[in-house]
Amino acid sequence: DQQVKQNSPSLSVQEGRISILNCDYTNSMFDYFLWYKKYPAEGPTFLISISSIKDKNEDGRFTVFLNKSAKHLSLHIVPSQPGDSAVYFCAASAPGYGKLTFGQGTILTVHP
Amino acid sequence: NAGVMQNPRHLVRRRGQEARLRCSPMKGHSHVYWYRQLPEEGLKFMVYLQKENIIDESGMPKERFSAEFPKEGPSILRIQQVVRGDSAAYFCASSPRTSGGNEQFFGPGTRLTVL
Repeated sequence: DQQVKQNSPSLSVQEGRISILNCDYTNSMFDYFLWYKKYPAEGPTFLISISSIKDKNEDGRFTVFLNKSAKHLSLHIVPSQPGDSAVYFCAASAPGYGKLTFGQGTILTVHP
Repeated sequence: NAGVMQNPRHLVRRRGQEARLRCSPMKGHSHVYWYRQLPEEGLKFMVYLQKENIIDESGMPKERFSAEFPKEGPSILRIQQVVRGDSAAYFCASSPRTSGGNEQFFGPGTRLTVL
């Protein structure tokens, strides 16, 4: 029962262009969403989050969009840099539950 | 301001042995979470603890796995009688959980290999 899905296993983008990573969820109880970045042999690093009361949150080059009616969120990275190459995970949590439910991850490769 | 610390970073055990994984949360964080990542998969929640209390262990296998977060010292994830299927990366995360969001900050992980 995959409640959080990242349907694109990989994404390849040219340096300077926009990277768009997508995530869908099925559990309507989720009210908080997060994006993490992970390099090999390291732990996930928190990037950006959004509450379900908002539809957009921006932090520097990173913007997360939430479409509650479609149960869809996306992470935009503009401009993309080679150092952004990593695995990106979206995660969600429901009120009263501390645990995060993760998607399978999307491998982003940014070419110089 | 040290981040979440985990040790050991790599652990090799033979089938039937015990594995003990340690996690020290970030300073000021009283909430600890353990996740497991199997090869080619995302992270799966195992257990959520506060000091001396297990809050949610819905992701923990019923047998051989246990976790604790004592009043003093690190959180421990213990796997008894390890099997090859326990080989994975185990990540610990911590949060302050004061209010609002649920940002969790992860350690570097312990990579367990069962021979």
